[in-house]
Amino acid sequence: EPEVTQTPSHQVTQMGQEVILRCVPISNHLYFYWYRQILGQKVEFLVSFYNNEISEKSEIFDDQFSVERPDGSNFTLKIRSTKLEDSAMYFCASTPGANVLTFGAGSRLTVL
Amino acid sequence: GDSVTQMEGPVTLSEEACLTINCTYTATGYPSLFWYVQYPGEGLQLLLKATKADDKGSNKGFEATYRKETTSFHLEKGSVQVSDSAVYFCALRISSNTGKLIFGQGTTLQVKP
Repeated sequence: EPEVTQTPSHQVTQMGQEVILRCVPISNHLYFYWYRQILGQKVEFLVSFYNNEISEKSEIFDDQFSVERPDGSNFTLKIRSTKLEDSAMYFCASTPGANVLTFGAGSRLTVL
Repeated sequence: GDSVTQMEGPVTLSEEACLTINCTYTATGYPSLFWYVQYPGEGLQLLLKATKADDKGSNKGFEATYRKETTSFHLEKGSVQVSDSAVYFCALRISSNTGKLIFGQGTTLQVKP
């Protein structure tokens, strides 16, 4: 069964450093998403991406965040200058259309 | 605003016990409702869904009925197995035009042999 692949599974970084989280969505999917879950809290929507542009974003997705689809397969989330409160599990998801999202296993980010 | 509230966990049950995980929601309009499950080390997987009032979603012995009058979507299973141990998330989607899901906080289920 096709799956969404995320790398790295765990990244530890120093506060202020830039981090890039990578996702390979399912190949025929057109809509891409990032969600995050801070430990012990709810899974929260960050951003949706379609046709090479952001289609929707939450209040959390401020100027320190950006997304990109640099080639035909990868979908990345960049955090420009990490803060302690960015420590969370980040989930990528994709869908072919107005369908159910398929999620990846997540990338755990720890900011020290 | 739109929100989902789940019962607090963890929930610990013996094998073959009955399971109910409560989920209530607040939403404008007519949302679709979902239960996702996360097994250790894996991503969120869709367990079941319901798109309109009185719909019942079912999968792998789990069921949930979309109750508009009580704004609830409780997850039930008649006889749990050790392999059902996971974190369960209730979620809603406001419209089919968006992939934005609003999640509950998740409920950890541990089933003991």
